[in-house]
Amino acid sequence: KQEVTQIPAALSVPEGENLVLNCSFTDSAIYNLQWFRQDPGKGLTSLLLIQSSQREQTSGRLNASLDKSSGRSTLYIAASQPGDSATYLCAVITNAGNMLTFGGGTRLMVKP
Amino acid sequence: DADVTQTPRNRITKTGKRIMLECSQTKGHDRMYWYRQDPGLGLRLIYYSFDVKDINKGEISDGYSVSRQAQAKFSLSLESAIPNQTALYFCATSEPSGANVLTFGAGSRLTVL
Repeated sequence: KQEVTQIPAALSVPEGENLVLNCSFTDSAIYNLQWFRQDPGKGLTSLLLIQSSQREQTSGRLNASLDKSSGRSTLYIAASQPGDSATYLCAVITNAGNMLTFGGGTRLMVKP
Repeated sequence: DADVTQTPRNRITKTGKRIMLECSQTKGHDRMYWYRQDPGLGLRLIYYSFDVKDINKGEISDGYSVSRQAQAKFSLSLESAIPNQTALYFCATSEPSGANVLTFGAGSRLTVL
């Protein structure tokens, strides 16, 4: 059974810092990995999707990397802003099925 | 209007009551899902449906049932609510592709007293 873990569970940083959120998964036979953002009172918004054959994806100040063999992904946020404050979740699809398995999320607060 | 609409957004009920959470979508997607979110546990899949005649159990289906009334509508029922079903519930949709990029509703917060 695939298990996805995110560390840390919560993170507070001053505005302007570069930061890294971590995601690990136990079954390396994944189809893809996705990073989501969740704002209070709202649903999840997909940020980046990395196919299993890819090593990284970039969107603006966000960069997600994937190391399938070690079961790890990182989400790098450059020059953090207060508007980046949210919960970030990673999720994987294993090759054996078509369902997403989510991590517990990292709650990020960026202080002005 | 939102692509995926969930009603109610908030509900407080008592143990033993029957509760229905409704989801409707304008994305035209065939696939619909119900997830439950508990603090620190991420989202866990309750039920999913790949088309109107297809219903499948997810990871935590016990105590829940679903109905796919139309392509655009997928409802989740708790026949007899219990306190440990207090959670944030999300409906999501996706196209039938391997990428499985989901569009989520805003969530329904359910409290069972």
